[in-house]
Amino acid sequence: QEKVQQSPESLIVPEGAMSSLNCTFSNSASQSIWWYQQHPGKGPEALISIFSNGNKKEGRLTVYLNRASLHVSLHIRDSQPSDSAVYLCAVDSNYQLIWGSGTKLIIKP
Amino acid sequence: EAAVTQSPRSKVAVTGGKVTLSCHQTNNHDYMYWYRQDTGHGLRLIHYSYVADSTEKGDIPDGYKASRPSQENFSLILELASLSQTAVYFCASSLTFYEQYFGPGTRLTVL
Repeated sequence: QEKVQQSPESLIVPEGAMSSLNCTFSNSASQSIWWYQQHPGKGPEALISIFSNGNKKEGRLTVYLNRASLHVSLHIRDSQPSDSAVYLCAVDSNYQLIWGSGTKLIIKP
Repeated sequence: EAAVTQSPRSKVAVTGGKVTLSCHQTNNHDYMYWYRQDTGHGLRLIHYSYVADSTEKGDIPDGYKASRPSQENFSLILELASLSQTAVYFCASSLTFYEQYFGPGTRLTVL
């Protein structure tokens, strides 16, 4: 069974700084890795996905995937108070998503 | 407007009672899912469905049943609610397995 671990559990970042979140997974054959954002009292919402080794940039978000080290990271440039949320990493395994337990990100004004 | 809705939004149930959680989607998606979320555990898949009138077991199906009477509706049934089933339950829909659209969740407390 695929295992997905996220670090850190929580992170406090000053407004305007870079936020960096990490995720490790156990199966290098996983085809895609997804990041979801979850605000309090709401359901998760898909943010960005990556399928190939390397990086992908969308707006203030950049994802880096290294299949050899089974590691993916999410970086949020110019972090804003509205970015405060729980970020979930999800990895595909046999046509279903396996979820990490999340990183709680707090952006301090 | 919300494309995946859940009802009720919160529920208090007694141990041994029957609980039905409902989900409705207007995304025209074939796939629908039920997850539970517990602190420190992330999301765990209970049941899913890829077509009406058919459901599949996820990773933690014990103690839960699911029903998909139409493409739009997917229910989760707890026949004999137990204390360990206290959690937040999310329904989701998707075109593929991966980009899933979630409802707002149902907070279930079993006493």
